[in-house]
This record gives sequence, structure tokens and C-alpha cells, in this order.
Amino acid sequence: DAKTTQPPSMDCAEGRAANLPCNHSTISGNEYVYWYRQIHSQGPQYIIHGLKNNETNEMASLIITEDRKSSTLILPHATLRDTAVYYCIAGPWGSNYQLIWGAGTKLIIKP
Amino acid sequence: DVKVTQSSRYLVKRTGEKVFLECVQDMDHENMFWYRQDPGLGLRLIYFSYDVKMKEKGDIPEGYSVSREKKERFSLILESASTNQTSMYLCASSPPGGAQYFGPGTRLTVT
Repeated sequence: DAKTTQPPSMDCAEGRAANLPCNHSTISGNEYVYWYRQIHSQGPQYIIHGLKNNETNEMASLIITEDRKSSTLILPHATLRDTAVYYCIAGPWGSNYQLIWGAGTKLIIKP
Repeated sequence: DVKVTQSSRYLVKRTGEKVFLECVQDMDHENMFWYRQDPGLGLRLIYFSYDVKMKEKGDIPEGYSVSREKKERFSLILESASTNQTSMYLCASSPPGGAQYFGPGTRLTVT
């Protein structure tokens, strides 16, 4: 599975858009990009996934570059409850057992 | 809402004890997973199961076994607990081609 690279930490002001980058330069054609987040003392929570088109749901938007080597997760109006570790993972859809979880990005939303 | 529950949030056991961690999901998911999470190492897959009585080793199965007698329940067993098994244990479930839903985790301390 493709390795992903994320910044270890980021800050964002409450109410602003939080843009979390992820690099996955070795991603292969059948691998999706998944995003999960883990709020302190809880299990990870699924956010969104995509293959090559941009995706949006009630939680976030996912922007994937045309060459698929990087992506950005956007939380449009960050709140204090969005403070969490965000994981970007690449792998074939339906092969959860193959996903490699890195250290993620610690996003801190500041009032 | 999908709900994955784990039998304990915190557990303290002694070296050599047999430890059972229970996980129950209420969404009729075929797949279930056990991970451990340690600082700086991300989530690592211990075992997963794609059907009742079926199990597959993950990346770090040594020292662990699992049991899945019913679809909704997946148990992780530490046959003889050791201090290096002190960790956060996370259970997850998913449909065959879907995202994973995680439980709240069990923080196990082996003394």
C-alpha cells in the first residue's frame, strides 16, 4: 500500500477553514485515499474517502490533485470539537486489513 | 448509528494472567478487527475476521488469539499477559466494502 506523509501538527482558528495536507506520491491506480480522525481518548472516526474526484459530505471535503499524488482534507468551519489527530491513509477499497496507519496530523483548533 | 462497544475502558492485569477483551457491534457487519495503538507507532492490526469462525492474522499476532463465535462479537485473548502488551486496544467493524467503525478502546495495563 502507498505510504502517506502528513505534517505532525497544525493550528487553526475557530470558525476558519482547516486545510490538512497529505502526500501520497506512490499511490497506485486502484488505491483510495481515506481520512479518519481520532479525538482524544476515543476510537478513530471515519470522515471521507475518494479515488480521483473531489468528494464532499456533511463533515468535510476532500480535494485530490489530478496526478493523485497529494490531497487536502478541508473542514470548512472548524470548531473546538474538531481538535483531533487526523489520519490520511491510502489503500484498496474494501481491504481495511491492509491499511497502514501513520502518526497523522494533530490539529488544534484555537478559540 | 453504528455502535461498536468494548467490554472495558480501562483494565489492569498481572503478568501471566489470561486476558479477554470483548467487542460487540450492532450493525451486522461481516468484518471485525483488533488493533493496538502505541505512542509513535500508529494503529497496528493484530487480527481480523471476515466471517463467523474465520480469522486472519494481521501484522502483530504474536501473543494474541481471537474468537468469533457469533457475527456481532469478536474477542481478543491474551493467553499469558506480558508487560509489553500494555497498550490501547481498539476494535473495529466494517461491511465488506466499507469504512471501519471503531469502538472507544480499552486501555490495558499489565503489571
